[in-house]
Amino acid sequence: DVKVTQSSRYLVKRTGEKVFLECVQDMDHENMFWYRQDPGLGLRLIYFSYDVKMKEKGDIPEGYSVSREKKERFSLILESASTNQTSMYLCASSLEGQADTEAFFGQGTRLTVV
Amino acid sequence: KQEVTQIPAALSVPEGENLVLNCSFTDSAIYNLQWFRQDPGKGLTSLLLIQSSQREQTSGRLNASLDKSSGRSTLYIAASQPGDSATYLCAVRPVFTGGGNKLTFGTGTQLKVEL
Repeated sequence: DVKVTQSSRYLVKRTGEKVFLECVQDMDHENMFWYRQDPGLGLRLIYFSYDVKMKEKGDIPEGYSVSREKKERFSLILESASTNQTSMYLCASSLEGQADTEAFFGQGTRLTVV
Repeated sequence: KQEVTQIPAALSVPEGENLVLNCSFTDSAIYNLQWFRQDPGKGLTSLLLIQSSQREQTSGRLNASLDKSSGRSTLYIAASQPGDSATYLCAVRPVFTGGGNKLTFGTGTQLKVEL
């Protein structure tokens, strides 16, 4: 089974801190994604990566950056955390392909910025 | 721009009932559609993936259908149980040029199965 592991289930950080969210997948997937999920807004794509060191902005990249130095690891970085970044963060991965590619998600990180 | 809608937003049924969750999408140019389950405070669990050339997929008590031309998918749950209580999300993978296999999600249907 594909396993996508996020480093923390819960995080509490202070405003202005630099925050790192880590995600690791064990199935050699080319694509990795970071979403945030908020009530009433659904899942929104922050950034994605389709190869090592390759990244593209999603729908809401402001205030975030990412790093993918190794194929299995995709990090989301909040450069200076703010209270409006309090949210559930979800990491996902998938193979490159077309009709038969399935996305797999991690268990989520609930981030609270105080 | 692809938009995905799930109706109803919430549903409450008695245990044992068969039920249908709906998902509609505006652009029929998709590679596949995927149904997920999300328990409170948890990540998404993949339930079924239907490729654009397929009409349906089955897994246990779950059956998902796809009518690409009309932009609709349904998730049928047979003999519902309290353990089925969760939020169900559908997502489509639009056809586009470029990499990434990005998905477009609906906002989900929150299901409660009562004893």
